[in-house]
This record gives sequence, structure tokens and C-alpha cells, in this order.
Amino acid sequence: DAEITQSPRHKITETGRQVTLACHQTWNHNNMFWYRQDLGHGLRLIHYSYGVHDTNKGEVSDGYSVSRSNTEDLPLTLESAASSQTSVYFCASSAAGLGGSSTDTQYFGPGTRLTVL
Amino acid sequence: GQQVMQIPQYQHVQEGEDFTTYCNSSTTLSNIQWYKQRPGGHPVFLIQLVKSGEVKKQKRLTFQFGEAKKNSSLHITATQTTDVGTYFCAVPWGGNTDKLIFGTGTRLQVFP
Repeated sequence: DAEITQSPRHKITETGRQVTLACHQTWNHNNMFWYRQDLGHGLRLIHYSYGVHDTNKGEVSDGYSVSRSNTEDLPLTLESAASSQTSVYFCASSAAGLGGSSTDTQYFGPGTRLTVL
Repeated sequence: GQQVMQIPQYQHVQEGEDFTTYCNSSTTLSNIQWYKQRPGGHPVFLIQLVKSGEVKKQKRLTFQFGEAKKNSSLHITATQTTDVGTYFCAVPWGGNTDKLIFGTGTRLQVFP
């Protein structure tokens, strides 16, 4: 069965360190997204990609970067981790847009809980 | 900028009581989606509404899209402990139907 996985599931790091969170999907979806989830803020979009070599900034992209070298993977990098980036991070994927008024379903990974000390 | 407000933020109900969460947008929407996230889990797609005034049902869950396509509701009849979780609405961001902006969610707690 197709799935979307994230690793690690839990990570503790120190302020200033570079951290990379992995996301891998076997849906063969063109679209991939990274969100962070914090209490009181719901899910906020960090970066997204519509295909290989395509990346775009979301609502809260400062301090984060992504790269898309193949269809399956969209790693998220925190260049210099800050305590404000302590959060739960979700990766999601969806097929290319259906067009018209519909939006394709997003399938979420299990999440990575990141703590920055 | 585009805003999606969801109320209430929390709701505690006795098992068997009904529950409703509301989602309001500052702009007219092409569609709206609803997701459920169980405690410790990840968001899971429930449904998408596209047409003005549309009503869809999934067992005890009733989803409604407003006539003006700026608001939506999710109603659960006779809640069960399995309904516990956070319910999010999600709308296309900036008119782009591939990206979503999520509401802040309504956290439902059901007491047996």
C-alpha cells in the first residue's frame, strides 16, 4: 500500500544546529507540503513543492528550506535551529490539482516532534 | 490576508450529546475540506464540499457548505468516544486549489 513516512519521529537538538527532517511518499504524488503544528495555531504551511526541482515558500518559511530532487522525497532543513522552531512537523502529499473547483486530498505522514533546547 | 476562523476552540460533551463546529472564511471559497486528527495522530481527510448549500452525510456526521460559500459546519449526532479528536477545516489558499490553509481546529472531548 502507498504511504508517506517521516523520520525521525522524535528529535532533540540544540540551538544553532542544522537539522534535517525526512519525508518520503510512495503515492507518486507531484505535490508535497511541510506544515508545523503548534497549540492555538493549527497547521501552518512552511514550504511546498509541485514537482521535481520546484519549491515554494509558505506562510512561515523563515529559517526553513526544502529541496526536491525526486518525486518521492522532500526533506525539510532548519538551517540554524531556534527554540521557536520547537513544534510538531507534518509532511503531506497530494496528486496534481484536479482543476476546476476541487482540491485533491492531502495525505499526511505521522509527524516529527522536534524539540530545540 | 486570507483568514479562516474556526469555533469553538474546545468542546467537551457527554457521550450521546450532539456537537457542531463552524468554519468561517473572509473570502468566497471554491471548496472546503474537513480533516480529523486523533490525539497523537495525524490529520486524516474526511470530506470535501464544492457546491453552494451542499450537504453531505457520513453516518453520524453532517457537513454543510454555506449558500455564499464563505462558511461551513460539521455536526456530529449522538457523539461517541471514538469521535474524540481535533476537527480542522481547510480551504484553498489564495485561490490556488492545490494549497490549503487550515483553520485553528476544534478539539472535541467526549466523556462516557
